[in-house]
Amino acid sequence: QVLLVQSGAEVREPGASVEVSCKASGYTFTSYAIHWVRQAPGQGLEWMGRIVVGNGDTKYSQKFQGRVTITRDTSASTTYMVLSSLTSEDTAVYYCARNPVGTITFDYWGQGTLVTVSS
Amino acid sequence: QSALTQPASVSGSPGQSITISCTGTNSDVGSYDLVSWYQQYPGKAPKLMIYEGTKRPSGVSNRFSGSKSGNTASLTISGLQAEDEADYYCCSYASSSNSLVFGGGTKLTVL
Repeated sequence: QVLLVQSGAEVREPGASVEVSCKASGYTFTSYAIHWVRQAPGQGLEWMGRIVVGNGDTKYSQKFQGRVTITRDTSASTTYMVLSSLTSEDTAVYYCARNPVGTITFDYWGQGTLVTVSS
Repeated sequence: QSALTQPASVSGSPGQSITISCTGTNSDVGSYDLVSWYQQYPGKAPKLMIYEGTKRPSGVSNRFSGSKSGNTASLTISGLQAEDEADYYCCSYASSSNSLVFGGGTKLTVL
């Protein structure tokens, strides 16, 4: 079965960076894109960006441009999202989601990773 | 402010039907048949319920249906059940920002 398993919760101080990983299994990793979506406490979903795993092409939300980097390691079937220059407003649950290329369908999601930014 | 507008809450009694709207512009919802809908329980990851406006993934109840008129997409749930109580989000491609945008979410309460 398709599974996306994310890394565990993180706590960072303001100004630091955080890396969240998303390991895929149960399907051909290079045939899909992986998107990152975050959800602040009590708030809605917010799209951050995506990587087309097969060719490494990335696209980021203008809101996060310059602060977010999404990469992948095809040998490990893992996608990584790094968010830098953290502030308290980046405290959120971060999700990875699988996406058939050419659609905006997120058909499988990771379990989410809570990132807390606090001094 | 979310790019797509959803009502903050809707409610209905068991067995009734409800509709959740998702209003955008002619740069997103109105121009593409690509709206998807997600159901989310508290503390859980979202689940795909409708994609490409009207299509239902395998395993999703046929009580869920999607439609679109102009710049507004809609999710209809018929025969409401207690288990439908959750948050619902719409999502669309937005050409103005060349990005994906979500609605603000709608909390469905089954009375």
